[in-house]
Amino acid sequence: QKEVEQDPGPLSVPEGAIVSLNCTYSNSAFQYFMWYRQYSRKGPELLMYTYSSGNKEDGRFTAQVDKSSKYISLFIRDSQPSDSATYLCAMIGYSGAGSYQLTFGKGTKLSVIP
Amino acid sequence: DSGVTQTPKHLITATGQRVTLRCSPRSGDLSVYWYQQSLDQGLQFLIQYYNGEERAKGNILERFSAQQFPDLHSELNLSSLELGDSALYFCASSVAEGGGQENTGELFFGEGSRLTVL
Repeated sequence: QKEVEQDPGPLSVPEGAIVSLNCTYSNSAFQYFMWYRQYSRKGPELLMYTYSSGNKEDGRFTAQVDKSSKYISLFIRDSQPSDSATYLCAMIGYSGAGSYQLTFGKGTKLSVIP
Repeated sequence: DSGVTQTPKHLITATGQRVTLRCSPRSGDLSVYWYQQSLDQGLQFLIQYYNGEERAKGNILERFSAQQFPDLHSELNLSSLELGDSALYFCASSVAEGGGQENTGELFFGEGSRLTVL
């Protein structure tokens, strides 16, 4: 079982729809949870990060973490064509000897159709 | 613009050859990370340097090596190239040495170097 599982999609939705993107993980040591957005031919950029279980909102984006279920989600409200990108979840956990490991999901490709 | 510069943007070479990818981190960032991205494997961590020293190692092949220079730029050397090495190679930088409380996990990525091995 991979440490981080993410459905690669592709996911296609009409403009204005609510989008739900999800990741599951198996490593209980993961402490920080992030969502990166990657546009075509660009590097990933940090979209949101959260530490604790619960919700964190930033404009049209809401990140949700459920540590008991080892499940994280990103919700996009009123989706726009400009949201079309690949969304990667990422997690940080202590890997021993003073080191922390950042692990990415494979990414979900989202297309928002006008 | 993330502030991280990678060269070259595209590279086509033959099997068995050697290439060097270059990365200049954001001003002030001491950590440099190298990632390989392919369609089937996603974003795979290769190696991290912090202020010139190797800090963490991921799934980096023995044919690959990296270093970070005193001016903090980094190079990733790929040798004895195989068809399967064709991928996007990203460099990222951050202020922090590692993860944990001082690091929110924000890495600043360059636009990548696309390597095609024929």
